[in-house]
Amino acid sequence: DAKTTQPNSMESNEEEPVHLPCNHSTISGTDYIHWYRQLPSQGPEYVIHGLTSNVNNRMASLAIAEDRKSSTLILHRATLRDAAVYYCILSYNAGNMLTFGGGTRLMVKP
Amino acid sequence: SQTIHQWPATLVQPVGSPLSLECTVEGTSNPNLYWYRQAAGRGLQLLFYSVGIGQISSEVPQNLSASRPQDRQFILSSKKLLLSDSGFYLCAWSSSYRAGAFFGQGTRLTVV
Repeated sequence: DAKTTQPNSMESNEEEPVHLPCNHSTISGTDYIHWYRQLPSQGPEYVIHGLTSNVNNRMASLAIAEDRKSSTLILHRATLRDAAVYYCILSYNAGNMLTFGGGTRLMVKP
Repeated sequence: SQTIHQWPATLVQPVGSPLSLECTVEGTSNPNLYWYRQAAGRGLQLLFYSVGIGQISSEVPQNLSASRPQDRQFILSSKKLLLSDSGFYLCAWSSSYRAGAFFGQGTRLTVV
């Protein structure tokens, strides 16, 4: 199964952009890249997902490397409410599993 | 629109007692369904997933079982709870592996 690697933690200043990296060097051609975030004491929240092309939605942007071995979640203007654990995971065709790793704890400073 | 319901929100159960947590999804058909557990301060552990009625795959051998008696109903059970079963239990659904997954509000289980 393809795995993802993320930094344990990152810091950002409020109202500045944040780039959260994720490495998935063993990704397969049909694996989708998903990002979720989990605020304290809550369940994970879907943020964005994509296959090959960069994706934008109201929450964030997803930049996927051309070789698909890495991706970056971009929060355009961090707010204090964006402080959370961000998970980068891959979804598989076989078995349809969504397996979470350790994630990146994002801290936002005012 | 689709919604996911999970209950109860909190539960305190004695060791050795049974458990039944229910999750239902509205507004979609044939969803993929997932049960996760998160121990305090830890990451999410995938327990079970289901791609259809009666089809359950277990990721971790343990004291728990899951069933999917109806298309949009997913049940997590245990015959006898252990202290180590304490944690935050989350149900999630997705339309396919190509789509995002959406989580319920979770059940915080404390086994005493």
